[in-house]
Amino acid sequence: KAGVTQTPRYLIKTRGQQVTLSCSPISGHRSVSWYQQTPGQGLQFLFEYFSETQRNKGNFPGRFSGRQFSNSRSEMNVSTLELGDSALYLCASSLVSGSNNEQFFGPGTRLTVL
Amino acid sequence: GDSVTQMEGPVTLSEEAFLTINCTYTATGYPSLFWYVQYPGEGLQLLLKATKADDKGSNKGFEATYRKETTSFHLEKGSVQVSDSAVYFCALSTRGQNFVFGPGTRLSVLP
Repeated sequence: KAGVTQTPRYLIKTRGQQVTLSCSPISGHRSVSWYQQTPGQGLQFLFEYFSETQRNKGNFPGRFSGRQFSNSRSEMNVSTLELGDSALYLCASSLVSGSNNEQFFGPGTRLTVL
Repeated sequence: GDSVTQMEGPVTLSEEAFLTINCTYTATGYPSLFWYVQYPGEGLQLLLKATKADDKGSNKGFEATYRKETTSFHLEKGSVQVSDSAVYFCALSTRGQNFVFGPGTRLSVLP
């Protein structure tokens, strides 16, 4: 069974630009969560999608948005990039939402904002 | 809200030493508890989990016991290897809520 895949693996953008990251969950998994990982703040929850609906949202500004498609693939978008958005963005999938099932993580997308 | 506290490290050990990484949690419900490991340049991998009090999760020589009375889930390994060098995250999940992760503990094992 293929794992969680994320594309692209690396991105370099400049301030003010926008970026879209993609995540394909494990086949059969319907819940996708996104996290931002930085050395200073650690792992911070961005949002979770299940059946194309946002179920939970972390404490991030509206510049961070996401969506989920009918095949459970998910994208997150960051508009008007700031230097502080440089981070590793991790996607995780699980079978269902709101359960205690473990999450399976992708390798992440390393975003650098110059 | 729910939270996880763990020793931040870094922890540096010699090969074959005993490892303990402390983790305590605060949760309003009855959480499941997890340890994830992140190797350099990779995403997080589930190391072990426990879903109820007194459960012991184990994998690859690592163990952790769900202690409800002390709200703890300490990670232990009897003899670490250089290949265990990584960052370890303690996490909890309560039904209906998203995962909450600790800050991570960086472990370096020297040959």
